[in-house]
Formats: sequence, structure tokens, C-alpha cells
Amino acid sequence: ELKVEQNPLFLSMQEGKNYTIYCNYSTTSDRLYWYRQDPGKSLESLFVLLSNGAVKQEGRLMASLDTKARLSTLHITAAVHDLSATYFCAVDIWTEYGNKLVFGAGTILRVKS
Amino acid sequence: NAGVTQTPKFRVLKTGQSMTLLCAQDMNHEYMYWYRQDPGMGLRLIHYSVGEGTTAKGEVPDGYNVSRLKKQNFLLGLESAAPSQTSVYFCASSQATAGGSYEQYFGPGTRLTVT
Repeated sequence: ELKVEQNPLFLSMQEGKNYTIYCNYSTTSDRLYWYRQDPGKSLESLFVLLSNGAVKQEGRLMASLDTKARLSTLHITAAVHDLSATYFCAVDIWTEYGNKLVFGAGTILRVKS
Repeated sequence: NAGVTQTPKFRVLKTGQSMTLLCAQDMNHEYMYWYRQDPGMGLRLIHYSVGEGTTAKGEVPDGYNVSRLKKQNFLLGLESAAPSQTSVYFCASSQATAGGSYEQYFGPGTRLTVT
């Protein structure tokens, strides 16, 4: 059974600081997605990572994928309050019925001014 | 395009009552999914569908049934609601892209409380 572990589960950081969220998974996959969720809202796609070594950047967020290590990272540079949200990674796997995603538990990020 | 829509947005049920949640998508996606979200547990897959008339069980299927009679709609049914089914339910859809992505697009969610 695929397990997807995110850490930390809760992150409180000061504005202007850098930090990294880690996503480890337990089976072979070369497709991984990052989503953002604001309180009471739905999930919004942030990054689609489709191969080993993939790196995507958007503003202060950068995501990478190492399929050999079964690890993805979401790096936050110079955090601002607007980045406060819950971040999920999701691993894409094939089943006999088609593909599905397995989500991590999520990282709650609070950026303090 | 509306994307993925869900009906209703909120619902309160008594234990033992039944209900159906409707998910609709206008992107002509083959794949559709139902998840539940509980605090600290991320999203857990209930059932999914890889095309009209085809469904499969996810991680937590017990107590739920689904149907996909039309490509654009995916229904989630609770035959006899239990308090443990109090949750936020999300529907999503996806389609393979030329680049190999199956990125999922999510609906706004349905907040269900079972008393």
C-alpha cells in the first residue's frame, strides 16, 4: 500500500524566512502534484512534476522531484503572509482501473509578520 | 466553463437517512473521483471512475455507492448515513495530457454533517 508522508505537518514561520516542506512516498512513481488549500476552500493546483529531476518555480515557491529517492520538496523563499495555507503533495499511481492520486496529510503553513 | 461543480454545498442528515451528492464537470474529462477530507488526514479516495459506466473502489469505500451513467456526472450515495461520515466531500476530474499529466481539478466541496 502506498504511503505518502509530509513533514512537517505544521509550520509556523516568520515573514522573510526560507523553509522546505518534504514529501516522501513509498512506491515507484514519476508523477507528483502539489496543491494549495485555503481555509474553507477547495484545492488549487500549484505544480505538476512529471519526471525525475523536474523543478518548477512560481513566485516564492519552488518544487522538485527526485524519483530515485522517492522525495519531493516544496521550498519557500522569503515567506510572505499570503502564503499561509495548507499544502498537499499527491502521488500519481496506476491501478488496474486507471490512475489515482494518494495524498499526504498536508502541511499547515502560518506565516507571521 | 464552470469546471467542476458540486451539489449541494451543505447538508445536515440524521443517522440512517440517505442522500446523493452530485458532481458535474464540463471539461469532457474521462476520470472522476470522490474524496473525503477529515482534519489531519488529507484527502482519502472513496470511489473513482475511469469512464462512463465504470467505477472502482478507493481507500475508504464502505458505506458509499457511486454511479456514472453520463460522462459529465458522478454521483455519490450514502444509503444509511452514520456520524462517522461527517466530513467535507470533494469531487475531482482529470484527463491525460500529451505530457503525461493526470492533474486533477477539484470542485468546491460539500460539507456534510450527520447527527
